[in-house]
Amino acid sequence: LAKTTQPISMDSYEGQEVNITCSHNNIATNDYITWYQQFPSQGPRFIIQGYKTKVTNEVASLFIPADRKSSTLSLPRVSLSDTAVYYCLVGVEYGGATNKLIFGTGTLLAVQP
Amino acid sequence: DTGVSQDPRHKITKRGQNVTFRCDPISEHNRLYWYRQTLGQGPEFLTYFQNEAQLEKSRLLSDRFSAERPKGSFSTLEIQRTEQGDSAMYLCASSLESSGAVPDTQYFGPGTRLTVL
Repeated sequence: LAKTTQPISMDSYEGQEVNITCSHNNIATNDYITWYQQFPSQGPRFIIQGYKTKVTNEVASLFIPADRKSSTLSLPRVSLSDTAVYYCLVGVEYGGATNKLIFGTGTLLAVQP
Repeated sequence: DTGVSQDPRHKITKRGQNVTFRCDPISEHNRLYWYRQTLGQGPEFLTYFQNEAQLEKSRLLSDRFSAERPKGSFSTLEIQRTEQGDSAMYLCASSLESSGAVPDTQYFGPGTRLTVL
């Protein structure tokens, strides 16, 4: 599985755009890039997933350059409720029927008023 | 609410006791996963079911841990002879098997927080 590297923490203010970059230099050809969000005492929540270029949904955008060795999660106009840990995951380990997610330590985003 | 549910949400037990957790996945999902999360870390995979078949277990899942998914619906995770190191959040997730190369989207429950005294 491709190893991911992301900042341990980030600070922002309400109303700002936040970009969290994840490095995954050894991403495999068929790997997808997935981001999850986790609030304290809750399970992770799927945010967005992509393979290349740009993906946008109602919550976030995901930018993936042509070489796919990194990706950037963009959260527009964050609010206090966006304070959470954000996990970047690359690839899902397929082995037989295995479909497990491999989480790192994530990025703790702290949004201040 | 049609999301993944887990019961109980909190469990306090004494060392050496057995505990059992339940997970009810989203009804149409055929895949179910258990993860364990300790403070400051991301979730760690424990085991995985496709329908009623348990297809993989992590090395974390020692012989004190067992999981079942009878009839391919709800699942239970049992820990026997609990140890203080078992204190963690136990998360359940479910997904609908997708076709092609796009990974399934896993939907997580709220977790069961276990404290072993």
